[in-house]
Amino acid sequence: KQEVTQIPAALSVPEGENLVLNCSFTDSAIYNLQWFRQDPGKGLTSLLLIQSSQREQTSGRLNASLDKSSGRSTLYIAASQPGDSATYLCAVSTGANNLFFGTGTRLTVIP
Amino acid sequence: EADIYQTPRYLVIGTGKKITLECSQTMGHDKMYWYQQDPGMELHLIHYSYGVNSTEKGDLSSESTVSRIRTEHFPLTLESARPSHTSQYLCASSAYRTGPNTEAFFGQGTRLTVV
Repeated sequence: KQEVTQIPAALSVPEGENLVLNCSFTDSAIYNLQWFRQDPGKGLTSLLLIQSSQREQTSGRLNASLDKSSGRSTLYIAASQPGDSATYLCAVSTGANNLFFGTGTRLTVIP
Repeated sequence: EADIYQTPRYLVIGTGKKITLECSQTMGHDKMYWYQQDPGMELHLIHYSYGVNSTEKGDLSSESTVSRIRTEHFPLTLESARPSHTSQYLCASSAYRTGPNTEAFFGQGTRLTVV
């Protein structure tokens, strides 16, 4: 069964810093990988989707990379802002579109 | 912005009551999911559906039931609510095709408290 791990579990950075969140998965036979953001008590907001054939995707200050063969993805956030504070989840999609989620990284950006 | 809606957003209800959590999407997605998430904890898949008249149990055993009579609607029902059902329930949908471009979208969640 696919297992998804996210490190670190929590991260605090001062405003303006660049940061990297990590996601690893055990089975490289994936269709895609999605990064989500979750604010406390809210649902998940899709940030980026990387297809299995792609190496990276960018949206604004966010850049996600995928190394399928090694089972790793990173989410890079440039020039962090207090509004970026949230929990970030990665999820991999396998056959029949089943999603496997990591446990998330709780990010705090300190003004 | 994803077109998937959950109602109610918050619900406080007494033990033993029957409740239905609503989830609707306007994207024409075939696949829909229900996840359960305790505060600060990971998501657990409790039900999913491939389309109309299809319902499957997820990884986490749940006393809830679901139905899929219409493509856009995937309600979750608890026949007799208990305090152990207190949690956040998240609904999601995606287009059902086994390809790399199938993005999943989530609703805002229903926070259920059973007293």
